Amino acid sequence: GQQLNQSPQSMFIQEGEDVSMNCTSSSIFNTWLWYKQDPGEGPVLLIALYKAGELTSNGRLTAQFGITRKDSFLNISASIPSDVGIYFCAGQSPPNSGNTPLVFGKGTRLSVIA
Amino acid sequence: EPEVTQTPSHQVTQMGQEVILRCVPISNHLYFYWYRQILGQKVEFLVSFYNNEISEKSEIFDDQFSVERPDGSNFTLKIRSTKLEDSAMYFCASNRDSDYEQYFGPGTRLTVT
Repeated sequence: GQQLNQSPQSMFIQEGEDVSMNCTSSSIFNTWLWYKQDPGEGPVLLIALYKAGELTSNGRLTAQFGITRKDSFLNISASIPSDVGIYFCAGQSPPNSGNTPLVFGKGTRLSVIA
Repeated sequence: EPEVTQTPSHQVTQMGQEVILRCVPISNHLYFYWYRQILGQKVEFLVSFYNNEISEKSEIFDDQFSVERPDGSNFTLKIRSTKLEDSAMYFCASNRDSDYEQYFGPGTRLTVT
């Protein structure tokens, strides 16, 4: 099946620092979604990307849909303690319709040191 | 803000028993999904459901699994005879017709002993 390679696996950063994580795939995707998961809870949607090259922001979060349609990155600026959690990328492969399943990356575990 | 809800939050069952996990998707959503996440691993697709029938299912979704929308609000996942390896978090998700943004519920932690 399709695989998403997400890196880094984990990060330890100081409060106030910027964070960058990315996902790559050997096949193209039509949609990229970024989720955050807190322990024992469900993934919460952060950003959705639909077009190659698209750059979208949500507060301190910025995500981009790669030109090749095989990658995406997520940046978090000026990290705060509540940014702690696991960040997952997820993609939908073509031809995606309303109910195309998501393929998830393995996640990036973010720890913020105050 | 509308959200996906799931019950129970935690289910403990003995191997071989049947379990039913329940979900109430967001009310104006048309597409429904079940995913699972084994502890410490990534989220994996199980099944998608639209217009009262299964749209797609993964290899994980074998004959022991079934889904149903018994009324206008609930969406259920049944595991007929649970195995130890079925222990995982099970997430329900839904999205509208007009976009592909899937919203997830808080999950049911299933523990099979």
